[in-house]
Amino acid sequence: DVKVTQSSRYLVKRTGEKVFLECVQDMDHENMFWYRQDPGLGLRLIYFSYDVKMKEKGDIPEGYSVSREKKERFSLILESASTNQTSMYLCASSFTRHSTDTQYFGPGTRLTVL
Amino acid sequence: GENVEQHPSTLSVQEGDSAVIKCTYSDSASNYFPWYKQELGKRPQLIIDIRSNVGEKKDQRIAVTLNKTAKHFSLHITETQPEDSAVYFCAAIRPINKFYFGSGTKLNVKP
Repeated sequence: DVKVTQSSRYLVKRTGEKVFLECVQDMDHENMFWYRQDPGLGLRLIYFSYDVKMKEKGDIPEGYSVSREKKERFSLILESASTNQTSMYLCASSFTRHSTDTQYFGPGTRLTVL
Repeated sequence: GENVEQHPSTLSVQEGDSAVIKCTYSDSASNYFPWYKQELGKRPQLIIDIRSNVGEKKDQRIAVTLNKTAKHFSLHITETQPEDSAVYFCAAIRPINKFYFGSGTKLNVKP
């Protein structure tokens, strides 16, 4: 059974702080994704990675960066948090870059920026 | 890029009735269409998917239909139960692994 975990379920930070959100998957998946989920907007892709040290921008990368130093771990970084980054952040992974596969989601991190 | 529109945004049905959620997409290159169910406070989970070489797929009480010509696909839930209450997301995926999600439908099944 695929397991995708995220470091925190709830996080409260102040404007200007640097924020790290961590995601780990245990199924040797090649692809990993970061989304934010806002009411009425569905899930929007921030960044994804199909290999270690590889990353590609999604639809809303501004204000975010990512890091993938190991295959199982994908980090989302908010260099200087702002109130408009208050949201639910979902990590996902899928098996291989070479075909279209189901994405498996983590439980989410609800981030509040004060 | 792809644009996925999902309707309705909220849907309320009586237990035992059917529920239909519709999505349209814009990019003819999209070839995979999954549906996710997200219960309150939980992660989205895949409930059914369909690929572009198939017109319909059924799994017990849920079914998905795809019309590639018209670029729309629909989720059908029959004999709804209170535990079907959740937010449902459609997605259209362009090769390779470019996911575009709809904005979600909140389904409420009244006992």
